[in-house]
Amino acid sequence: AQKITQTQPGMFVQEKEAVTLDCTYDTSDPSYGLFWYKQPSSGEMIFLIYQGSYDQQNATEGRYSLNFQKARKSANLVISASQLGDSAMYFCAMREGHEYSGGGADGLTFGKGTHLIIQP
Amino acid sequence: EAGVTQFPSHSVIEKGQTVTLRCDPISGHDNLYWYRRVMGKEIKFLLHFVKESKQDESGMPNNRFLAERTGGTYSTLKVQPAELEDSGVYFCASSHGQGYRSTREQYFGPGTRLTVT
Repeated sequence: AQKITQTQPGMFVQEKEAVTLDCTYDTSDPSYGLFWYKQPSSGEMIFLIYQGSYDQQNATEGRYSLNFQKARKSANLVISASQLGDSAMYFCAMREGHEYSGGGADGLTFGKGTHLIIQP
Repeated sequence: EAGVTQFPSHSVIEKGQTVTLRCDPISGHDNLYWYRRVMGKEIKFLLHFVKESKQDESGMPNNRFLAERTGGTYSTLKVQPAELEDSGVYFCASSHGQGYRSTREQYFGPGTRLTVT
């Protein structure tokens, strides 16, 4: 079974509209972290936002917020007031186990990504 | 502060040849990771170094892949001999070593696009 599922391969959104990119995850670990990365056409992976499984509040970073629904195992990314420069691939990722400890292996598991295109 | 750098940006080799990819992490980052994205598939974790030690190499596909991080600074990933299915984009990432894992976001390099013909 996939650990990270992004059900939207592609999305077209009008500029200035809000965008929600879906991400559901599967883990039996009580401790985990969730990440969103942006990959523009230039290829680099840009870290956007992080949510820990025990964090009480939804994470926010500027125009990005993470709608964390723990019981549903979803971690949707919300981009407010979209801009043309938001056009890119967006990846949801998870790190399982011991999120609140100092050690351990911490490779990320990624979803397949959503290709977001912002239209003027 | 310089970001994660990778060299080369592109490499085209023939099946059976050897290729070595290099990653320079952000200065002072103890953790270094290798990932790979094969066309049409997810980005897959390959390996995690803590300084010069391999913390987790569970994602390495087979023994044709050899990763090293001598001295705990830059890392190399060698593919020998390369096969067609090794084509893809190889990403390196790094994170600092202090504090809880929850504070350790991974910063990615631009990737090396490897094409095996």
